[in-house]
Amino acid sequence: GIQVEQSPPDLILQEGANSTLRCNFSDSVNNLQWFHQNPWGQLINLFYIPSGTKQNGRLSATTVATERYSLLYISSSQTTDSGVYFCAEQASGTYKYIFGTGTRLKVLA
Amino acid sequence: DAGVIQSPRHEVTEMGQEVTLRCKPISGHNSLFWYRQTMMRGLELLIYFNNNVPIDDSGMPEDRFSAKMPNASFSTLKIQPSEPRDSAVYFCASSLETWAEQYFGPGTRLTVT
Repeated sequence: GIQVEQSPPDLILQEGANSTLRCNFSDSVNNLQWFHQNPWGQLINLFYIPSGTKQNGRLSATTVATERYSLLYISSSQTTDSGVYFCAEQASGTYKYIFGTGTRLKVLA
Repeated sequence: DAGVIQSPRHEVTEMGQEVTLRCKPISGHNSLFWYRQTMMRGLELLIYFNNNVPIDDSGMPEDRFSAKMPNASFSTLKIQPSEPRDSAVYFCASSLETWAEQYFGPGTRLTVT
């Protein structure tokens, strides 16, 4: 079946540091989303990015569909960036989004 | 738009009781998804509706679980009878089309004692 792997599983950063989160997927991608689950449990859309690069403030994402991976960049991290980051892939020909196991990020003040 | 609305936000019930979770999708969205999140299994899709019709319920764990979508603006997920292993956070999500960006509600945290 479709597999979505995220790395690293855990990450601790000092405020102001930059980081790169990676998502590898096993099947050709139709759609890909990045989410942030905040400490209160809410899942917040970050990017809808089946291919290419997008930027939103301090965050940016790149998906290389041909090589089956996506990267999420966080620059100048803030304590409010803490939480779990999920990528979810919707494989071609299906409607199901398969979620990765997440990267748990903690940003220290 | 208010986003996806779920109620209740928290539910504590005793084993054997019926539980009903509610979801109002974003207006104009024709696809609705119910997910369950646990520490052990992560986020898993339970059931998917398109234009109010259940398309795939293969993720529903047991016959104790049922879901309905009587109209485009309302869906329910019912567990009867509930068991402690049903304790989890249940999310509802909607999207404009099947192959489109999904938006999640705040979730319902269910505890079955």
